[in-house]
Amino acid sequence: AQSVSQHNHHVILSEAASLELGCNYSYGGTVNLFWYVQYPGQHLQLLLKYFSGDPLVKGIKGFEAEFIKSKFSFNLRKPSVQWSDTAEYFCAVNPGEDMRFGAGTRLTVKP
Amino acid sequence: KAGVTQTPRYLIKTRGQQVTLSCSPISGHRSVSWYQQTPGQGLQFLFEYFSETQRNKGNFPGRFSGRQFSNSRSEMNVSTLELGDSALYLCASNLQSGLTEAFFGQGTRLTVV
Repeated sequence: AQSVSQHNHHVILSEAASLELGCNYSYGGTVNLFWYVQYPGQHLQLLLKYFSGDPLVKGIKGFEAEFIKSKFSFNLRKPSVQWSDTAEYFCAVNPGEDMRFGAGTRLTVKP
Repeated sequence: KAGVTQTPRYLIKTRGQQVTLSCSPISGHRSVSWYQQTPGQGLQFLFEYFSETQRNKGNFPGRFSGRQFSNSRSEMNVSTLELGDSALYLCASNLQSGLTEAFFGQGTRLTVV
């Protein structure tokens, strides 16, 4: 079945560590790609999105993601995490007329 | 401008009952999508409405239904509630169908006892 896979369910890092969260999808053809973040007690917010063009996209709060078409991947990165990045991160793919989400990765940043 | 508003925020229902959740999209947005969020499952797509018509439907039983009104407000109904329906139900609005970018509400936390 077509799907969006996030490999890490829970990631624990210390402040200033580098972050990479994996996301793979199995849809063929043209897709739009997104990363959303859900801070504790808050609604889902868009971190960044890729529609076309430069496969390295930059989002808010120092996050970036790289689209690698050959690997069907859209991994999220941040060079140096902060305690305030503690949240749940969702990768999403829009292969057509609806959006499919991964199961989410919970990130805990220790001060 | 106001964001996506979902009411109520919290709800407790008994097995077998039915429930109606409401979503008011961002002004000017005509597409509303509904998702079920549970721990470990992420967000599961329920359905999308655009201009009062259901455009897409996820893989949920017929107990889950929805509708959209002419002012783009949407309601989601779940009949014959089961314990497994306990979840956070999220609504997302978009200018157009096709979901180039979705704006989410804070959700309705439904607990079935």
